[in-house]
Amino acid sequence: KAGVTQTPRYLIKTRGQQVTLSCSPISGHRSVSWYQQTPGQGLQFLFEYFSETQRNKGNFPGRFSGRQFSNSRSEMNVSTLELGDSALYLCASGDGTSGYEQYFGPGTRLTVT
Amino acid sequence: GESVGLHLPTLSVQEGDNSIINCAYSNSASDYFIWYKQESGKGPQFIIDIRSNMDKRQGQRVTVLLNKTVKHLSLQIAATQPGDSAVYFCAENMNDYKLSFGAGTTVTVRA
Repeated sequence: KAGVTQTPRYLIKTRGQQVTLSCSPISGHRSVSWYQQTPGQGLQFLFEYFSETQRNKGNFPGRFSGRQFSNSRSEMNVSTLELGDSALYLCASGDGTSGYEQYFGPGTRLTVT
Repeated sequence: GESVGLHLPTLSVQEGDNSIINCAYSNSASDYFIWYKQESGKGPQFIIDIRSNMDKRQGQRVTVLLNKTVKHLSLQIAATQPGDSAVYFCAENMNDYKLSFGAGTTVTVRA
């Protein structure tokens, strides 16, 4: 089975721009979660989607948004980029039942200049 | 991630020795825990999980212990190998579809 894939792997953007990241979960997985990883804050939960519905959201500003498609693929969008948004954005997939294994993709490294 | 933490940020281990990585959690409502390994430039890799109704779970060369009385989780790696060098994270789930991560422990294996 193929693992979680994320595109693009690397991205450089300028302050004020917006960005869209993509995640394809493991085949058969219906849950996709997004996390932000930075050296200072560690791994922080952004949101989780299951069957196109957001079930939980972390403490991030409204500039961070996401969605999930009927094929379980997910995208996250960050608008009006700030320097502090530079991070590794990780996507994880799982079968979506409560207390379930989550498998991570390689991440998208976003640099905001 | 504030509710989950690791006791030591770094751990240096001699190749062949056993490693013990510790994690303390503060939320007694957490009912599911996962250990992840993250190598440089990669996403976290699932190692092993344990549910709150268990005290111990074993995998290949790894054992996770859960002590709910003191809210403590540990990962034991047997016969540590150079490939075990990485950052290890514990994560907890409170039945709310998200994982809360600790700060991580960097394990360095000495040859």
